[in-house]
Amino acid sequence: NAGVTQTPKFRILKIGQSMTLQCTQDMNHNYMYWYRQDPGMGLKLIYYSVGAGITDKGEVPNGYNVSRSTTEDFPLRLELAAPSQTSVYFCASSSPSSQALSGNTIYFGEGSWLTVV
Amino acid sequence: QKEVEQNSGPLSVPEGAIASLNCTYSDRGSQSFFWYRQYSGKSPELIMFIYSNGDKEDGRFTAQLNKASQYVSLLIRDSQPSDSATYLCAVKGRGYSTLTFGKGTMLLVSP
Repeated sequence: NAGVTQTPKFRILKIGQSMTLQCTQDMNHNYMYWYRQDPGMGLKLIYYSVGAGITDKGEVPNGYNVSRSTTEDFPLRLELAAPSQTSVYFCASSSPSSQALSGNTIYFGEGSWLTVV
Repeated sequence: QKEVEQNSGPLSVPEGAIASLNCTYSDRGSQSFFWYRQYSGKSPELIMFIYSNGDKEDGRFTAQLNKASQYVSLLIRDSQPSDSATYLCAVKGRGYSTLTFGKGTMLLVSP
């Protein structure tokens, strides 16, 4: 019963390095998301995708890139890491219900803790 | 800019009491409202959602929605120490739109 799987769970990056956070889901959900959560703060949407080949910016997209080549996978790329990108990153997925008002429940992965030094 | 406001807390209640968590939102067109629980170091998990004015009950949890006042709340009856967590309010707009999260309220239930 995997759900949404993120890797790595923990990573330390040096300033200027690049890396990719991997995310895969096995629920056949169309919608996938990347959020970041800073201490004491809510979840901020970085990027989202409504289906393979379609991505869109969220609230805080600067410094990140995504791709969605398959329904299952939604990797997040950090280019030129900066200390401001130290955060916890959550990948999530959802599938809109036929009942539009009650659907779109989001399921989260376990999170990836990233520190940029 | 859609905003979702929550008191950061901590809200401290004794075991067995009713905990009341509140949330206000700025977008009057918002249609669905969600409460997530997040334990320290863990990912958020959905507790319940509501989209009609009034109350919705699920076990010890009751969500209350007042669209005219742009206010949604979560009541936890018979609070247990295991309820100690941060509770995130999230709001969804019309049609397909992403969720906007509040910063969360930390709840501490003392034995």
